[in-house]
Amino acid sequence: AQTVTQSQPEMSVQEAETVTLSCTYDTSESDYYLFWYKQPPSRQMILVIRQEAYKQQNATENRFSVNFQKAAKSFSLKISDSQLGDAAMYFCAYRSAWNSGYALNFGKGTSLLVTP
Amino acid sequence: GAVVSQHPSRVICKSGTSVKIECRSLDFQATTMFWYRQFPKQSLMLMATSNEGSKATYEQGVEKDKFLINHASLTLSTLTVTSAHPEDSSFYICSAREGKGHQETQYFGPGTRLLVL
Repeated sequence: AQTVTQSQPEMSVQEAETVTLSCTYDTSESDYYLFWYKQPPSRQMILVIRQEAYKQQNATENRFSVNFQKAAKSFSLKISDSQLGDAAMYFCAYRSAWNSGYALNFGKGTSLLVTP
Repeated sequence: GAVVSQHPSRVICKSGTSVKIECRSLDFQATTMFWYRQFPKQSLMLMATSNEGSKATYEQGVEKDKFLINHASLTLSTLTVTSAHPEDSSFYICSAREGKGHQETQYFGPGTRLLVL
C-alpha cells in the first residue's frame, strides 16, 4: 500500500512571507496523482493543487506551487505571500492512476499558523 | 467546481440508536463515492468505497454490519451507523468522484459531526 508522510506536524509563517510544506510518499507505481488539500477550521476539504506524475512540469495555482521530485518521491507545497486566510491544516494525498475507483490516501497533515 | 452536500451537519444521539448520514452530489452524477472518518487532530481515514448499484467495498477493520452503506442512485449515498456507541463519535466526510481518467476529480462534502452519548 502507498504511504504518504508529512514530517512537519506544525509550521508557522509570517504574513506576506513564503513557507514550504513537505510531503514524501512511497509507491511502486509509475502513474499516479498527488494533491494538496486545505482544511480550515470549518473542516471543509478544499483542493489546493494537483499534480499528475507523468507531467514533469510543476503545478502552480496563483500563490501555490509544488516542487515535484518523482525520483525522490517528494511533493512539497510552497505558499508565497502568505495570508491570514491560509491558516489551516494541509494534507498531502496520493491516488493511484491504475484504478479510477481508488480513494485518496492522506498524510497526517501539517497545521499552518500565519502570524500578522 | 462541483458541489457535494451532507446531511445532517451535526447529530447527537443516544448509545444504541442508529444514525443515517446522507451524501449528495448536487450538480453531477457520481458512480463512486467515498466515506472517510476523521478523529480530532488526525487525518482522514477511508472507511469504504460506495459504488452505485453494487455493494460497498470496506477497508480492513471497518465493520460492514455496523456501517451500512447504500448507494441507490447516481447522486446519493447514505451511511448508517447502527447501534452507535460513544467510540463511534467522530467527523464523517464523504467525497464524490466526477469525471474519468486524468480528468477525474474528487469533491468533498462539508462533513457530519456525530456525537454519541
